[in-house]
Amino acid sequence: DAKTTQPPSMDCAEGRAANLPCNHSTISGNEYVYWYRQIHSQGPQYIIHGLKNNETNEMASLIITEDRKSSTLILPHATLRDTAVYYCIVRPLGAGNKLTFGGGTRVLVKP
Amino acid sequence: EAGVAQSPRYKIIEKRQSVAFWCNPISGHATLYWYQQILGQGPKLLIQFQNNGVVDDSQLPKDRFSAERLKGVDSTLKIQPAKLEDSAVYLCASSLGESSGNTIYFGEGSWLTVV
Repeated sequence: DAKTTQPPSMDCAEGRAANLPCNHSTISGNEYVYWYRQIHSQGPQYIIHGLKNNETNEMASLIITEDRKSSTLILPHATLRDTAVYYCIVRPLGAGNKLTFGGGTRVLVKP
Repeated sequence: EAGVAQSPRYKIIEKRQSVAFWCNPISGHATLYWYQQILGQGPKLLIQFQNNGVVDDSQLPKDRFSAERLKGVDSTLKIQPAKLEDSAVYLCASSLGESSGNTIYFGEGSWLTVV
């Protein structure tokens, strides 16, 4: 599976947009980019995923560069409840392909 | 829609004792996963089921860990005998199918402390 690189931690201001980067320079054409987050003492929560195009849902937006070697998760208006560890994961297409978690980015939203 | 249910939420046992965790996936989900998450690390896959068959158990320490999904719905993960290094959160997850286009949903986890 392609490896991802994320900053270990970042701070964000409440009410501002939070932009979380992820590098996946070895990604291949048949691999999705998935984002999950894990709030303290809870299981990982699905946020969004994409293959080539930018994606948006009620939680976040996912911007994937044209060469697909990096992506950015955008939380449009960060709240204190968005404080969590955010995982960027590359997952191959096809059957039997699991999620392989790295270390993630520990995001702290400050008032 | 009900999520992935797990029990017990918390368990403390002594080393060399046994423990079992139960998981009920989201209704209709054919694929079920068990992950282990040690404090400060990301979750690591232990075993993946497709219906009642094992797809991947390459990371399962089979000398002490076992898992089953007899009727293709709920699943049990057992540890016997437990070691101190088994202290972790055990996460169950499920998805509609094996395809990577199917989102994987996680339960709240079962916290195990081995003393």
